[in-house]
Amino acid sequence: DSGVTQTPKHLITATGQRVTLRCSPRSGDLSVYWYQQSLDQGLQFLIQYYNGEERAKGNILERFSAQQFPDLHSELNLSSLELGDSALYFCASSRGGDYGYTFGSGTRLTVV
Amino acid sequence: DQQVKQNSPSLSVQEGRISILNCDYTNSMFDYFLWYKKYPAEGPTFLISISSIKDKNEDGRFTVFLNKSAKHLSLHIVPSQPGDSAVYFCAASGLGTSGSRLTFGEGTQLTVNP
Repeated sequence: DSGVTQTPKHLITATGQRVTLRCSPRSGDLSVYWYQQSLDQGLQFLIQYYNGEERAKGNILERFSAQQFPDLHSELNLSSLELGDSALYFCASSRGGDYGYTFGSGTRLTVV
Repeated sequence: DQQVKQNSPSLSVQEGRISILNCDYTNSMFDYFLWYKKYPAEGPTFLISISSIKDKNEDGRFTVFLNKSAKHLSLHIVPSQPGDSAVYFCAASGLGTSGSRLTFGEGTQLTVNP
């Protein structure tokens, strides 16, 4: 157990639907990062939050949004889902002053 | 624009031999580099890192080498063990404030044969 909890582990949904992925960071970590890993591709940075505020944005689609709550857990919302959104979505957290991330085990999203 | 590139999607070595995984980067602002290992159905786990002020960092069987002029780093695993079979991601980070984002390569699947 890495200390970063992601739920659900698996999600199957239809095109056009909306889903919410949840992440609880490791205790004491202020930064949360979301990454997407599509088939045979590397980890693509989506967005970072630090202590409740958006800190950096990557290649995140407008159909996607995220937030970090006062208790530091984060949610990634994916709407108007398309087949190409099928991927592994990883959440990672860090203390904020270092570069080492701790990753969760990911949510596998399948859009049918 | 792929700023961190791992050109070998896969590598196969014999148990006991050396595994060398390579990574190239293009962004000269990167100053910290990391390697992560990923097993199936798990998230990536941190393996070893190196700051740009060094050219080598060693941790047990794992050594990372950094060649700043060539914008190249490599991970050496000696001796390789079957349990090392996993996907290895190279990652880089630039100057920044707390919680700096990491840019990852595509990963290299290492298979260590008994």
